[in-house]
Amino acid sequence: QKEVEQNSGPLSVPEGAIASLNCTYSDRGSQSFFWYRQYSGKSPELIMFIYSNGDKEDGRFTAQLNKASQYVSLLIRDSQPSDSATYLCAVNKGYSGAGSYQLTFGKGTKLSVIP
Amino acid sequence: DVKVTQSSRYLVKRTGEKVFLECVQDMDHENMFWYRQDPGLGLRLIYFSYDVKMKEKGDIPEGYSVSREKKERFSLILESASTNQTSMYLCASSLLAGQGDTQYFGPGTRLTVL
Repeated sequence: QKEVEQNSGPLSVPEGAIASLNCTYSDRGSQSFFWYRQYSGKSPELIMFIYSNGDKEDGRFTAQLNKASQYVSLLIRDSQPSDSATYLCAVNKGYSGAGSYQLTFGKGTKLSVIP
Repeated sequence: DVKVTQSSRYLVKRTGEKVFLECVQDMDHENMFWYRQDPGLGLRLIYFSYDVKMKEKGDIPEGYSVSREKKERFSLILESASTNQTSMYLCASSLLAGQGDTQYFGPGTRLTVL
């Protein structure tokens, strides 16, 4: 069973700090990695995706991918109370056939940014 | 901007009723998905479609069926609603196949079955 694991949290950080969210995945062949943010009662919205090893930055967000360790993380710099949400990690499920369309989602990490 | 809309934000139905949830996307995406999301269980894929009239079962298809007669529209059908189908239902769409493409979600339908 291909899995995506996240610490459920809650992860509490003070306003202005760096929040670090982590995700591990079991399928060594996975190639597409996504981070979604989901506010309570709302649907997931894409923050960013990453395909290559290393860092990818977008504003206050940085995604980090280490395929050798099967690990992807999301850093949020200068955390704001409005960043308080659940963050979902998603990984492509397969390379051909039906699996190639699908993403496997982690259960999410709840982040709380304390003013 | 990708826009995915769902027919209802909140829905209350009775046990045994036939329920239709509709999803429409306006970005000419090839693929559409139906998920349900429950506390502690995360997002679970019910069905998806990669082309008009084509469908594939996801992880939890039992008790559900789908219809995709037009590219932009994907319907989820609960043939005979049961209380264990009370959940948040999320529709998503993506443009491409292969290696998983970004999925864009609709606002969700919170369904309560009494």
